[in-house]
Amino acid sequence: GAGVSQSPRYKVAKRGQDVALRCDPISGHVSLFWYQQALGQGPEFLTYFQNEAQLDKSGLPSDRFFAERPEGSVSTLKIQRTQQEDSAVYLCASSLGESETQYFGPGTRLLVL
Amino acid sequence: DQQVKQNSPSLSVQEGRISILNCDYTNSMFDYFLWYKKYPAEGPTFLISISSIKDKNEDGRFTVFLNKSAKHLSLHIVPSQPGDSAVYFCAASSPYGGSQGNLIFGKGTKLSVKP
Repeated sequence: GAGVSQSPRYKVAKRGQDVALRCDPISGHVSLFWYQQALGQGPEFLTYFQNEAQLDKSGLPSDRFFAERPEGSVSTLKIQRTQQEDSAVYLCASSLGESETQYFGPGTRLLVL
Repeated sequence: DQQVKQNSPSLSVQEGRISILNCDYTNSMFDYFLWYKKYPAEGPTFLISISSIKDKNEDGRFTVFLNKSAKHLSLHIVPSQPGDSAVYFCAASSPYGGSQGNLIFGKGTKLSVKP
């Protein structure tokens, strides 16, 4: 079956530009997570949705980061006024439930120049 | 301060031998531990997990050991195969603080299995 998909796979942005990253979770998965992975580091939690409800956004690094999942399926992570320190791989994961195994997408590699 | 630590950035093993990847954690509230495997340009793939009520979980060539008193877990791969070459991430979760599924990852260990 289809896994988690993310688009675009690569994104180059000029500093100050807004970007939107998309995640298509596995069909039927209630929980959706966003992680940020900097070079040489492990993934770091950004935010969590249960269906359309954003239950935890404690990992978002600043108010320039915004995530939504309006219909409880596809999710979008938006970064406004990108900065160089936002350069990272953004990973999306979904699971059947909050404590179930998380399945990751391939990630979006964002480079801010 | 890192709550999940993988102190070996890399490990090289001969094909057929055992690979042992180590992970230490500091938060005693962690109750679930996972290992993910990651190939370049792909997302992490779930490998094996263990609950804090157990001290061992085995799945084929992969075994995870948990030592709660030492706050240490390890992943054993026997026998190692060249296709096992990847970055391995240790992760932990806690029922307290944030969502229950919020995973905290180590920095990863790059395993190279030489033919």
